[in-house]
Amino acid sequence: EVQLLESGGGLVQPGGSLRLSCAASGFTFSSYAMSWVRQAPGKGLEWVSSISGGGGHTYYADSVTGRFTISRDNSKNTLYLLMDSLRAEDTAVYYCAKGFVDLDYWGQGTLVTVSS
Amino acid sequence: SYELTQPPSVSVSPGQTANITCSGDKLGDKYACWYQQKPGQSPVLVIYQDTKRPSGIPERFSGSNSGNTATLTISGTQAMDEADYYCQAWDSSTVVFGGGTKLTVL
Repeated sequence: EVQLLESGGGLVQPGGSLRLSCAASGFTFSSYAMSWVRQAPGKGLEWVSSISGGGGHTYYADSVTGRFTISRDNSKNTLYLLMDSLRAEDTAVYYCAKGFVDLDYWGQGTLVTVSS
Repeated sequence: SYELTQPPSVSVSPGQTANITCSGDKLGDKYACWYQQKPGQSPVLVIYQDTKRPSGIPERFSGSNSGNTATLTISGTQAMDEADYYCQAWDSSTVVFGGGTKLTVL
């Protein structure tokens, strides 16, 4: 059974940093691209970033380019999202998902709140 | 940047057919997929590569994509299908979601 478990969310001040993790199990992690998608309170889904299975290719939404860094450790079956220079508008539930376009499995999400 | 446009809301009576559209420039030249999200839950993939259903998704869900419009069709809509639906496509190494459509079954 595929499982994705995010962690690392919380309250952070504007300008601060946070690292999210996503522990994956139930599939060959290194064979699949992985993505982060966020959802601000009461709003729709917004793609944030994706990374290829080997980690050599990364993709970012314009809204986070230069501030967020996606990475993965295939030896630990874990996906990461390092978020720097956080803004109020980054407040959202962050989901990790398996795949790049066809996101066939999603985690339960972790809430990031950026506020002073 | 590429944009996908969905109607904010669609209403349907139980047992009837619901059609949810997603519009984008030359969307038919790309693959579209659809997600269902119920309140308080994570999204679920219901259609991928325009027309394919993941295992476990009921046959009443179907999709099409041509020209500038992709369509999610739910035949024989049930109360349990009431949810938000999002289309998604890929363009120039960027993934794009539509704004979402709230499907009300009444």
